[in-house]
Amino acid sequence: EVQLVESGGGLVQPGGSLRLSCAASGFIFSNYWMSWVRQAPGKGLEWVANIKQDGSEKYYVDSVKGRFTISRDNAQNSLYLHMNSLRAEDTAVYYCASRLDIWGQGTMVTVSS
Amino acid sequence: DIQMTQSPSSLSASVGDRVIITCRASQGISNYLAWYQQKPGKVPKLLIYAASTLQSGVPSRFSGSGSGTDFTLTISSLQPEDVATYYCQKYDSAPLTFGGGTKVEIK
Repeated sequence: EVQLVESGGGLVQPGGSLRLSCAASGFIFSNYWMSWVRQAPGKGLEWVANIKQDGSEKYYVDSVKGRFTISRDNAQNSLYLHMNSLRAEDTAVYYCASRLDIWGQGTMVTVSS
Repeated sequence: DIQMTQSPSSLSASVGDRVIITCRASQGISNYLAWYQQKPGKVPKLLIYAASTLQSGVPSRFSGSGSGTDFTLTISSLQPEDVATYYCQKYDSAPLTFGGGTKVEIK
């Protein structure tokens, strides 16, 4: 079964850090670009970042540049999002996604004091 | 960066109605356009990719068209299970921007 499973979300104070993980199975992870997409409560979808198959190219939405880092471990079929200097506006469900049609169930990140 | 503008932001239609949602890119993106359906509390589901290719398993009442800057998603006969928010997304190059969404309700 093709599957993406996110983990690592939770409650963090403003200025804090968090690392999200995404475990892939059922498809050849190393063949595909991978993305993180987020959705703030009651809001629309926002693409956050993506990474090339070999990790050589990474792109970010302007609002997270310099604060978030996307990475991957093809040997572990895993995708990561390291989030630093978190702000209230980063509060959202974070999805990992691939190939347009594969999405995880999401992990909730809440930034609040 | 290319902006993606969807319209309308919401609509209400009767069962059996034809529904059309538009998505406009601020610059040309060829046919690198996907449409998603998101039901409340659920994960987005891919409906259409390459502007007009129906994803496997998606009902044929959904169709997409367009190229360049102007795209449409059409539901030929609205069904109760189509109540959802619909998003377009460009995927030609980063940033892979989504449109703002169109909430579809039954009248």
